Amino acid sequence: SQQGEEDPQALSIQEGENATMNCSYKTSINNLQWYRQNSGRGLVHLILIRSNEREKHSGRLRVTLDTSKKSSSLLITASRAADTASYFCATDAGTGFQKLVFGTGTRLLVSP
Amino acid sequence: NAGVMQNPRHLVRRRGQEARLRCSPMKGHSHVYWYRQLPEEGLKFMVYLQKENIIDESGMPKERFSAEFPKEGPSILRIQQVVRGDSAAYFCASSPAGEIFRFGGYTFGSGTRLTVV
Repeated sequence: SQQGEEDPQALSIQEGENATMNCSYKTSINNLQWYRQNSGRGLVHLILIRSNEREKHSGRLRVTLDTSKKSSSLLITASRAADTASYFCATDAGTGFQKLVFGTGTRLLVSP
Repeated sequence: NAGVMQNPRHLVRRRGQEARLRCSPMKGHSHVYWYRQLPEEGLKFMVYLQKENIIDESGMPKERFSAEFPKEGPSILRIQQVVRGDSAAYFCASSPAGEIFRFGGYTFGSGTRLTVV
């Protein structure tokens, strides 16, 4: 298994619904990040949460972190068709800040 | 302020040829990272460079792959004698110096899609 594993692998919802994606990891971390990748494009940084934080908000995004369970969740509220993308969590795997370990991603499809 | 610029966007090489991928970091960023993404997978770390220094190349294959970030000019990821298994998207990211929580996250380029035929 990879350091970061997202669940579910794919998620299909209607516009206006909420989307929740989960990420589990194996080692201790200093921080965890979520990125979005539109098809055929690079990654866009969404949010970073430090290991001593439990929850963080940014617009329609809410990220939680449970270090005791080694898991994080990303909630997108009131989803839009433009949110259709793959979402990846990434940790530093305790190796230091400069090397990220990515999960395999959740593919989100938001239908109008 | 342009973001991370990667070129070319698409690169086709025949087996045995060399592939050169370029990455210009964001203005003011002194750290460059290269990642590889296979289809339907997440990104895998390859190498971390600062100007004229390789800091961490633990993700680089031992043979045929090399990277540099010269004092002047872009960072280059070079793959010699490419094979079909090298076909992937190669992404470059950059950051300023310092701890990541001070600047948020990395800025990624749009990637170079390498196809080996």
